[in-house]
Amino acid sequence: DGGITQSPKYLFRKEGQNVTLSCEQNLNHDAMYWYRQDPGQGLRLIYYSQIVNDFQKGDIAEGYSVSREKKESFPLTVTSAQKNPTAFYLCASSIVGREGDTEAFFGQGTRLTVV
Amino acid sequence: KQEVTQIPAALSVPEGENLVLNCSFTDSAIYNLQWFRQDPGKGLTSLLLIQSSQREQTSGRLNASLDKSSGRSTLYIAASQPGDSATYLCAVGQAGTALIFGKGTTLSVSS
Repeated sequence: DGGITQSPKYLFRKEGQNVTLSCEQNLNHDAMYWYRQDPGQGLRLIYYSQIVNDFQKGDIAEGYSVSREKKESFPLTVTSAQKNPTAFYLCASSIVGREGDTEAFFGQGTRLTVV
Repeated sequence: KQEVTQIPAALSVPEGENLVLNCSFTDSAIYNLQWFRQDPGKGLTSLLLIQSSQREQTSGRLNASLDKSSGRSTLYIAASQPGDSATYLCAVGQAGTALIFGKGTTLSVSS
C-alpha cells in the first residue's frame, strides 16, 4: 500500500563517518523533504526538492547533502562536517499543487546517534 | 520570516473534556495550514489540512479553524480520550518553501 518508507529506523555513526538515510515514496508525489527534530526545537528543514534533479537548501543544510535522481527517492547523507548529528530525522512528501505544496505525508523517522 | 507559535506547550486534562490547541503565525500569506499528531518516537500523522480559502475542516472529533487575516488557527478536540495523548503540531505552507512548523503542544489525557 502507498506511503513513505524511511530506513533504517535506528542508525549509529562513529565520529568522522558519513552515513546515508534512505527515504522512498510510492505516492507519486513531486515534492520531498528532510527535516531534523531535536527535543524542544520542533522540526527544522534541511533540504527539499520539488522536482527530479533539483533541490534547495533549508534552514540547516550545513553538513548534509542530498540527491534526487528518481522521483520516488530522496536520500540524505549526514557528512562528517555535521558536528552534532544526533537527532530524529523525518522525511516527507507532497504533491506540488497550483497554489503550492499540498497535504504532506511523513515517514516513521530515523533516529541517528553518534557513538 | 514566517514564525509559527503554539500555545500552550503542554496541556493535561481529564478524560471527556473538550479542549482547544492554538497556533499562530506571523505572515498571513499562506497557501494552507496543516495539523499533525506525533506519538513518542514516531513520525507525523496528518490530521487536517485547511486551504487558505477555507475557514474550517472537520474529521470525527477534531475541528480545525483558520483565520488567515489574524494569523491564527485552532484545533478543537471534543470529548478527549486517553488515546488522544500525543504531541500536536501545526505547520503552514507558503510559496517557495516547505512547511514551517511550530514546536508543538504535548497533550496528556488522564482516565
